[in-house]
Amino acid sequence: DIQMTQSPSSLSASVGDRVTITCQASQDISNFLNWYQQKPGKAPSLLIYDASNLETGVPSRFSGSGSGTDFSFTISSLQPEDVATYYCQQYDNLPLTFGGGTKMEIK
Amino acid sequence: EVQLVESGGALVQPGGSLRLSCAASGFTFSSYAMNWVRQAPGKGLEWVSAISDDGGSTYYADSVKGRFTISRDNSRDTLYLQMNSLRADDTAVYYCAKDAVVLIATTLDYWGQGTLVTVSS
Repeated sequence: DIQMTQSPSSLSASVGDRVTITCQASQDISNFLNWYQQKPGKAPSLLIYDASNLETGVPSRFSGSGSGTDFSFTISSLQPEDVATYYCQQYDNLPLTFGGGTKMEIK
Repeated sequence: EVQLVESGGALVQPGGSLRLSCAASGFTFSSYAMNWVRQAPGKGLEWVSAISDDGGSTYYADSVKGRFTISRDNSRDTLYLQMNSLRADDTAVYYCAKDAVVLIATTLDYWGQGTLVTVSS
């Protein structure tokens, strides 16, 4: 199985800050990497697909980059509604695997 | 509007069985692969199983292989997960999730609200 190592596991930042999460795959996954947001008590929702493509309707302050084994996810200006846990997910090989999650909080 | 509505979650004893359902609407159900993903209380996401658009191909996580069976009824726009020999570590919220493309188990673009399965005596 492909292991996805996500860091940090939690992040506290101020409104308006630029924040970045990283995700490392245990082997080359090309760009087969997605990012999801899960707000408290809700189902996950897709934000970024294929490492860098913004899902329709997702605000442009969210972005993703990377390929191979190293990926990053950035919120350019953190907003109060961005309080959530964020997960990366690879689909290069089954089983689909997720990173451990990054819990985003507002200072 | 795409909607996925899970049902069937319950409290069940270890060794017991349960069948989850996921009713789909707002898209051509028979054209997309579907998945089950679970989340244990306070934990991260774990992919459980996937099924192709026509039901002809199925895939499972090792943790559920031989105990869980995924199926679908395209005439009823419904996805199922039959869970047998349930264990305490199967306790989780179970989500059904739609694949974004025809290929199986790739990008999960729509998720249901989840249904809670609790395995306990």
